[in-house]
Formats: sequence, C-alpha cells, structure tokens
Amino acid sequence: QLQLVESGGGVVQPGRSLRLSCTASGFTFSSYGMHWVRQTPGKGLEWVALIWYDGNTQYYAESVKGRFTISRDNSKNTLYLQMNSLRAEDTALYYCARRGIGGYYFDYWGRGTLVTVSS
Amino acid sequence: QSALTQPPSASGSPGQSVTISCTGTSSDVGTYDYVSWYQQHPGKAPKLMIYEVSRRPSGVPDRFSGSKSGNTASLTVSGLQAEDEADYYCSSYAGSNNYVFGTGTKVTVL
Repeated sequence: QLQLVESGGGVVQPGRSLRLSCTASGFTFSSYGMHWVRQTPGKGLEWVALIWYDGNTQYYAESVKGRFTISRDNSKNTLYLQMNSLRAEDTALYYCARRGIGGYYFDYWGRGTLVTVSS
Repeated sequence: QSALTQPPSASGSPGQSVTISCTGTSSDVGTYDYVSWYQQHPGKAPKLMIYEVSRRPSGVPDRFSGSKSGNTASLTVSGLQAEDEADYYCSSYAGSNNYVFGTGTKVTVL
C-alpha cells in the first residue's frame, strides 16, 4: 500500500544544517510532484516547498527561500529537504506529502519527522 | 501569506451535522476553486477529505461535503460519528505556486 516515511529529524543548534528524507513506496514515485509541509502547535500547518515529478522545478515558501532546498532521487524513491541556517522558528514536525493528480492539493501524507532548533 | 481563518472548535451530537468555515481573501479562496480539506487525528498524518472545493477522494464517506461562496469555503459533516472527532484543516492554492492552510478546527462529537 502507499507509504511515505520521513526521517532525519532531530535537535540542532541555530545556524546549523539538517537534511530530511522521505522514502516512498506503493506508487510510481517518479510520476508525482512532492511537497514538504510543516506543522507547529502555534502556527498550524505551513507549506514549505514543492518539487516537480522530474526534479526540474522547485518552489518555496518565502519563509524558507534561500535557506532550504528540496530535491529528489527517483532511482531511490526518495525526497529530500536540505535545511541550512536553521532558526528557532523552523522548529516543527515536517511532513512529506504527495501532490494530487489535479495539482493543487496533497493527497497522501507521511507521519512526519520532528525538527527542533535550539541551543 | 496569512493563514486562512477557521473557528477553533465545533461540536455536535452523533447523527447531527456540523459545518466548518474557512475564510480567506480574494487572492486565494476567492479566486481559485482549489480548496481542500484535511482530517487529522491526534498523532496521525493528515488525510485528504475534500479537494477542488467539493470533490471527494475514493473511500471518503459521502457524509463529508464541501462548498464555497466568495472568500469563504465550508466543510459539512453530516450524520456525525464518533470517529469524526478530529482536527480539520482547510487549504487553498494562493497563486504563484504558493499554498496556504487554515488555522484548524477541533471537532468534538458530544
């Protein structure tokens, strides 16, 4: 069955970097765009980034532009989020989500990986 | 991009209906018919319940329905059941490859 499993979260100091991974199974990963979405108790859900099915196009929320990079390896069915210059406000549960066929919704989500930015 | 506004809570007795509003602006909900709704039980991943304002994915009960008027979208859950108790979030495409989510509504089945 379709599954998205995030990993790579942890506790990191402000200014440092972290790379998240999302391993997909149960569908043709290379046919779908993929998103990262984060969730905090205070701010709820926030869209972070989107990558096209072929990896050739990426879009970012203003809050992470220039610091985060979304990428994918279709040969490994894996999505990545490279997070640099981390700030306290990046603390959140990070989900990967599949882009719906219609394009403008998130049709399947993983269970998330927690990132805590703290000194 | 500001979050879409949802009521913090809503409730109803089993069998009743509950409607959750999701208010945006003319830059998101008011312009695009790309409103979606997600159900999230504690500790679980969000689940798509409605997309493109009123379409239901396969497997979602027809007790869940969506609509939109102007800058406000709505999710109605009819015939409330205990398992419908969860947090619900709306989302809208906001143009220029941006997406915005709602503030979330906790639905309680009394």
